[in-house]
Amino acid sequence: SQKIEQNSEALNIQEGKTATLTCNYTNYSPAYLQWYRQDPGRGPVFLLLIRENEKEKRKERLKVTFDTTLKQSLFHITASQPADSATYLCALAKAAGNKLTFGGGTRVLVKP
Amino acid sequence: GAVVSQHPSRVICKSGTSVKIECRSLDFQATTMFWYRQFPKQSLMLMATSNEGSKATYEQGVEKDKFLINHASLTLSTLTVTSAHPEDSSFYICSADRLGQGPENTEAFFGQGTRLTVV
Repeated sequence: SQKIEQNSEALNIQEGKTATLTCNYTNYSPAYLQWYRQDPGRGPVFLLLIRENEKEKRKERLKVTFDTTLKQSLFHITASQPADSATYLCALAKAAGNKLTFGGGTRVLVKP
Repeated sequence: GAVVSQHPSRVICKSGTSVKIECRSLDFQATTMFWYRQFPKQSLMLMATSNEGSKATYEQGVEKDKFLINHASLTLSTLTVTSAHPEDSSFYICSADRLGQGPENTEAFFGQGTRLTVV
């Protein structure tokens, strides 16, 4: 069966450092991999999308890599700030506009 | 940006009653809306795909007679939890795909969620 795994343990990091989150998947061939941010009691907010034929994508302090051989995506938050504290979800889709399958999310806590 | 609004944000109902949750795309048309459920400290689990003008497609294990979905227009989908029980208490979230969005715009736009508590 399809599985998307994210580190369930919270990531505690010092302000200014780089946070790196991992998303691994099995029995899946996604066309798109997306990262979302979710704050407590709120819906997810889109951050970045990377396609199967792309290796890396950047947006401001965020960077995503996608390795379809390893079936893994890494999500980096550089120069982290306390405002970056949230749960980060990876999600996979087989086609544009298709339903998303979410990982369990990783909670990030950035300490000042 | 595209805005999806859910209403209500919180609802408490008695066991056995029905609750309706609305999901509206405010500034775009949505041919497809998705309904998710999220239990505490867990991820979003897709319940059903709602297509405007046709019957919803439910995921395995989701009772279509219990979770009624109506997608009557390109800007509104509703989820009705019928005969709610305490185990239906959860965070319900909808998302919408923008009509005409191409491969460059495949992000999903989520509502703010509805916290349902059945007592």
